[in-house]
Formats: sequence, C-alpha cells, structure tokens
Amino acid sequence: DQQVKQNSPSLSVQEGRISILNCDYTNSMFDYFLWYKKYPAEGPTFLISISSIKDKNEDGRFTVFLNKSAKHLSLHIVPSQPGDSAVYFCAASSITGANSKLTFGKGITLSVRP
Amino acid sequence: NAGVTQTPKFRILKIGQSMTLQCAQDMNHNYMYWYRQDPGMGLKLIYYSVGAGITDKGEVPNGYNVSRSTTEDFPLRLELAAPSQTSVYFCASSYVGELFFGEGSRLTVL
Repeated sequence: DQQVKQNSPSLSVQEGRISILNCDYTNSMFDYFLWYKKYPAEGPTFLISISSIKDKNEDGRFTVFLNKSAKHLSLHIVPSQPGDSAVYFCAASSITGANSKLTFGKGITLSVRP
Repeated sequence: NAGVTQTPKFRILKIGQSMTLQCAQDMNHNYMYWYRQDPGMGLKLIYYSVGAGITDKGEVPNGYNVSRSTTEDFPLRLELAAPSQTSVYFCASSYVGELFFGEGSRLTVL
C-alpha cells in the first residue's frame, strides 16, 4: 500500500513555463513533506520542504503548496529551465516520531525542452 | 565537504556470494539509513539507525543485515546474494528532517 503517490510518471514542459509536480499521501500522521531532485548516477538532493503548520513554502523558483484536507502537495517551478530536467521525488515523514525516516513516492521524470 | 560516502560504486555478484556496502558520514548525524531504488520505483527503506549501537528494520529488510558500531559508519551486509537484490543502494544520514544521500552503489546479482 503506497502511502506517498506520484501518479504521473513523467512531465514535459517548455523552457520558461511553469512545471507543476503533484503528490498525494494517505497517512494522516505525516506532518513533514520534502521534495528531492535526482540526476542520473547521483544521489537524491534535497530541494524544498514544508511542515503541516504551513500551506506554502517558497525558495527562489521553487514553491511547495500543501493542502492537508486533500492530503495533496505540489511543487511549482517557475520559470522552468533545462537544468531542472531530473527525477523529482516527493517524500513524507512524521517529524514528531522517534526518527525522521522518510517514505518516498515513485518519482516524476521532468523534461524541460529548450 | 565529503558528506555521505558510499563504496563501492559498482559491483557484480554471483548468486550466493556475500558482500558489504560501506557507508560513512562526516556530519556527526545520529540518524543513518539504507534505501534501495528499483527501476521505476521510489526509494524503499531497508534498515535505519538512530544512533551508534541501535538499528531497526525498515520496509524491505529481508536478505540484509546492518551494524552501527560508530556514529560515522553504517555498513549494509548481503549474506546470500539473490537476483532480487539487483538494485541501486543509497545510504543517507540526517540530524532531523532533511536526509543527505550518498551517490549510490549499483549492485547486480547474476
């Protein structure tokens, strides 16, 4: 049973346009959410996070929105750049738990066309 | 800035062989993790540790063992390699929240 779902396996957008990557979760105990970016042959790198006390967090071109009632979050990248082409993983944890182990979605492959 | 270091980066094993994937971090993080990533899948947690001397199973622990004798090191042991263990393995560490990952170890079992 997948607790973190990224239902679209891929997304292709034009350079300069907005990329919207979606993520749904089922575990109501999750209260901390992260996005990771992964290039081929590299480990995932942290991109942005949001805790459940917020509904929006922004960092430069990246904004994450959280809708707790819908158990849905999304990552917006504006404007998209070719260097953003990578696999994006949504992850969630219960930060109030004894440890911060993350549950990951399957990932979305983003392709930004020049 | 070493961060999380994994060795080896690539390894081919025969069925039934054993090996250890090494992981070391220099950030003095208490938490360490081993994940595996299969094609088209997310990262699945194998084992994790909340500090030296303490380890616990994750989502997919069967066929693996870990130890945590120091804060810095968290090796992952495969005792009897099986084709189902062909995967990319990622070690990670954290203080709280954000995980820092190594570059991965690609293991093929033939």
